[in-house]
Amino acid sequence: EAGVAQSPRYKIIEKRQSVAFWCNPISGHATLYWYQQILGQGPKLLIQFQNNGVVDDSQLPKDRFSAERLKGVDSTLKIQPAKLEDSAVYLCASSSLAGGYQETQYFGPGTRLLVL
Amino acid sequence: SQQGEEDPQALSIQEGENATMNCSYKTSINNLQWYRQNSGRGLVHLILIRSNEREKHSGRLRVTLDTSKKSSSLLITASRAADTASYFCANEGSARQLTFGSGTQLTVLP
Repeated sequence: EAGVAQSPRYKIIEKRQSVAFWCNPISGHATLYWYQQILGQGPKLLIQFQNNGVVDDSQLPKDRFSAERLKGVDSTLKIQPAKLEDSAVYLCASSSLAGGYQETQYFGPGTRLLVL
Repeated sequence: SQQGEEDPQALSIQEGENATMNCSYKTSINNLQWYRQNSGRGLVHLILIRSNEREKHSGRLRVTLDTSKKSSSLLITASRAADTASYFCANEGSARQLTFGSGTQLTVLP
């Protein structure tokens, strides 16, 4: 089966500019996650969708970050305006629901963002 | 922060040796997962150990879980150069969201 797709793979922007990332999860996976991974650290969950509803966005900096999952499939994550500290890899992951339990999360290759 | 702490931060061993990585949390541990990340790539799921399990094996991997100590360990036996990567533990929350550890960078020298 095809894996989680993300684009772009790399992005360089100036601070205060806007940027958007796109994710296409594995077909049939109900749950989609966006993580931020700063260099040398583990991934930090930004937002979790189940179908097109938000399950957890407690760590999403809502003053500048937004995310949506249209029709419960693809998702976009936007940063507006970007700050230097937003430089990181943004990872998308998806998982299926089975018997009420989330199964293993499958990760995309990530988008590496550099804010200058 | 609820982020897990992993030690060591970095580990360098010779091919054929065993590698042990440890993970601990300040919050209670539910189901715990281990992931591997090769440089510049996404994460790959290795193994899941449920909160009612104490030990689990998968190929050359052995994971233990001690919920009373809020800790887990990952043992890779007979390491290979291809095992060189970063390894992360991840604790599941109530909605199955993952809280990752800080990671251990493993280098296996040929």
